[in-house]
Amino acid sequence: GNSVTQMEGPVTLSEEAFLTINCTYTATGYPSLFWYVQYPGEGLQLLLKATKADDKGSNKGFEATYRKETTSFHLEKGSVQVSDSAVYFCALSPSKAAGNKLTFGGGTRVLVKP
Amino acid sequence: EPEVTQTPSHQVTQMGQEVILRCVPISNHLYFYWYRQILGQKVEFLVSFYNNEISEKSEIFDDQFSVERPDGSNFTLKIRSTKLEDSAMYFCASKGVLAVTDTQYFGPGTRLTVL
Repeated sequence: GNSVTQMEGPVTLSEEAFLTINCTYTATGYPSLFWYVQYPGEGLQLLLKATKADDKGSNKGFEATYRKETTSFHLEKGSVQVSDSAVYFCALSPSKAAGNKLTFGGGTRVLVKP
Repeated sequence: EPEVTQTPSHQVTQMGQEVILRCVPISNHLYFYWYRQILGQKVEFLVSFYNNEISEKSEIFDDQFSVERPDGSNFTLKIRSTKLEDSAMYFCASKGVLAVTDTQYFGPGTRLTVL
């Protein structure tokens, strides 16, 4: 079946540090890949997505590139802020067909200290 | 910007009681979902709903669970007889019909506490 594996946290960083959260997936076909973010006390917000190999999703300074050869979708940000403290979830949708469920990774808690 | 809304934000109930969690999806969306997140664990798929019927459900979604779209705007999740292990955050999500618009938009969640 489909699965998503992401690095366990918590990840603790200082402001302006470089952030990488690793995400790898197992799926048949050509899934769409997503990063969702959950700020403290809030729901899930879409951060970025990529729908085909070599696509790069980007938003709010975050980037992730869909690497089919390594089945990965690592999230990066060059200079984090305290406001980036949140839990980040990698997820996949198994195909571009409408209606397919999302499979999530376990989430990575990121804490950015001033 | 359109958003998914959920009520209540927090529901406390006694074990064995019925609860109904409510969601208002984005108005032109046609696919609807429920997910749950037990504290500290990953987000898990429960059920998807399209064209007034369940299109897929997980093993978690047993006979104690049901979903309904009672009118043109609401989408509900009912748990008939709650158990302690049903305590979780429940998220509703919706998605448009176009194949390229494959993003699910989530509501803020309902925290269910079963005592």
